[in-house]
Amino acid sequence: AQKVTQAQTEISVVEKEDVTLDCVYETRDTTYYLFWYKQPPSGELVFLIRRNSFDEQNEISGRYSWNFQKSTSSFNFTITASQVVDSAVYFCALSEAYPGNTPLVFGKGTRLSVIA
Amino acid sequence: GAGVSQSPSNKVTEKGKDVELRCDPISGHTALYWYRQRLGQGLEFLIYFQGNSAPDKSGLPSDRFSAERTGESVSTLTIQRTQQEDSAVYLCASSLGTGGGYGYTFGSGTRLTVV
Repeated sequence: AQKVTQAQTEISVVEKEDVTLDCVYETRDTTYYLFWYKQPPSGELVFLIRRNSFDEQNEISGRYSWNFQKSTSSFNFTITASQVVDSAVYFCALSEAYPGNTPLVFGKGTRLSVIA
Repeated sequence: GAGVSQSPSNKVTEKGKDVELRCDPISGHTALYWYRQRLGQGLEFLIYFQGNSAPDKSGLPSDRFSAERTGESVSTLTIQRTQQEDSAVYLCASSLGTGGGYGYTFGSGTRLTVV
């Protein structure tokens, strides 16, 4: 069965600090997809990244970076030089490719507060 | 439309009443999903539709919950005899297909409060 664990319930950092949000997943499939979503106070989920299980290359997008390690079943998300606008709840999610048609399974989320 | 539209944005209902929540997916998106998010919690899968296939209802918490979708367009989630525990934000998402290869686009949700 699929499972996503975000052990950090809440994190508070001072602006300009770097912060890493942890995500650990469980799946029996060899082909799967991992996601991160951001949910700002407005409530709408915003897609950040999708990564398939065959692509372990880390990715950087501006101040955001993702570290995918199959050996530890982790897909961690780092925000560099955090800003107040980064304050939100961040969700990690997993979808298995087979037998197909499996909906995303979400972790419980990590609430990030960036203090000015 | 340009995005996933949900209505109403807020709904307050009395315990025991039925409610209907509506979702308009992005045009061309064949898959549609409903999730529930209780206060301070993660997203709980309820049901999804893919084209003309039978919906996957495995996440519906009780027989008071049901959903319909007309073709590849609008979906309605119905909760009968609402209970206070049903209070949550109900999120709808659509995607070009099912399976993890497709990202989901979420609506803004319907905040349901049962008093």
